[in-house]
Amino acid sequence: GAVVSQHPSWVICKSGTSVKIECRSLDFQATTMFWYRQFPKQSLMLMATSNEGSKATYEQGVEKDKFLINHASLTLSTLTVTSAHPEDSSFYICSATPGGRQDYGYTFGSGTRLTVV
Amino acid sequence: AQRVTQPEKLLSVFKGAPVELKCNYSYSGSPELFWYVQYSRQRLQLLLRHISRESIKGFTADLNKGETSFHLKKPFAQEEDSAMYYCALTGGNQFYFGTGTSLTVIP
Repeated sequence: GAVVSQHPSWVICKSGTSVKIECRSLDFQATTMFWYRQFPKQSLMLMATSNEGSKATYEQGVEKDKFLINHASLTLSTLTVTSAHPEDSSFYICSATPGGRQDYGYTFGSGTRLTVV
Repeated sequence: AQRVTQPEKLLSVFKGAPVELKCNYSYSGSPELFWYVQYSRQRLQLLLRHISRESIKGFTADLNKGETSFHLKKPFAQEEDSAMYYCALTGGNQFYFGTGTSLTVIP
């Protein structure tokens, strides 16, 4: 079945530094990937839609200069949290659907726990 | 190891019939379980979580630790319930999703 690998699974960084999170589709091509964020005791929140070869589409309220998304290939999307601050500490999850079709169902990565100290 | 299993990829029921979407999990600690729903052309949204024990849109889900299940149920399905449903588990630093069940409610 379709597998999405997310790396790292957890990371601790100092305030002011940048952190890169990778999302890879292992056995299918993903022209579109999605990045979610989850705050404690809240639902997943869609941050942005990553499109291969073009700019990402950000949801309202998400700072595109802070959360840089690069989707340089059909199997890899990266999310870089720039100049991280403690309030950026959260759980970040990516997902993709084979063929970009919603009716195929989404496959989710196992998430990245970011802690900014 | 598969942490969350949704055995049915597709499920069709008639309007007014009871519906049950199955979810089984494998986790050694004390997980928190969720059901998410995605309606056609809409975003993924939280349907319910086991710790709140609420009923949303007529859906309920009870955590059965003995059977390690968290099945989603509704006594009378409605056409607007047609959607993709994902069971999810969080434990430690990880978040695990099932592969999803596409529910179609037939008028």
